[in-house]
Amino acid sequence: IAGITQAPTSQILAAGRRMTLRCTQDMRHNAMYWYRQDLGLGLRLIHYSNTAGTTGKGEVPDGYSVSRANTDDFPLTLASAVPSQTSVYFCASSEELAGVSEQFFGPGTRLTVL
Amino acid sequence: GQNIDQPTEMTATEGAIVQINCTYQTSGFNGLFWYQQHAGEAPTFLSYNVLDGLEEKGRFSSFLSRSTGYSYLLLKELQMKDSASYLCAVMDSNYQLIWGAGTKLIIKP
Repeated sequence: IAGITQAPTSQILAAGRRMTLRCTQDMRHNAMYWYRQDLGLGLRLIHYSNTAGTTGKGEVPDGYSVSRANTDDFPLTLASAVPSQTSVYFCASSEELAGVSEQFFGPGTRLTVL
Repeated sequence: GQNIDQPTEMTATEGAIVQINCTYQTSGFNGLFWYQQHAGEAPTFLSYNVLDGLEEKGRFSSFLSRSTGYSYLLLKELQMKDSASYLCAVMDSNYQLIWGAGTKLIIKP
């Protein structure tokens, strides 16, 4: 693995179903992030993690949960999907949360909730 | 509230120069980033400014004026592969990135 991987690449999901989006990085970065990107809007932060074992809420956390059991993995779970969660989801990581630290992005997961 | 403004779309000619502007109002300021995003792909880092002035990196330059809440990305010697969206993002006082909606740059031959 080189960088950040996400799975699945795309998914069509029935409303009400539970779904986990996977994210793995091999750069040993401390900070990780989940964003959603919708047409005409900027990337919006859902949840973030400063380091393994800690997580925090971003701008649009409702309906989503995350965990950070180790440095490499940062899964995002939709407990009961709704159509407004149709979006492209990007996972990202950086060396640290604060300071001059560019974020590296995974390839994204395109999720459609019907 | 926090706000990042940039033009929705711009068109330029191959070989020319284009300037993409970004204005911002945020809670605190810990730097401004520019990212490039090709259609259907992930954003990739272009530049970072935290002090006023111009940062040059090859064909790309980025300028920051903190007192006016203004930045621009300057692309020289445009190539067809520069057709992409350019995202402006500001790191706020909580070290979270606030993103603009992006500027779609169309390059014509």
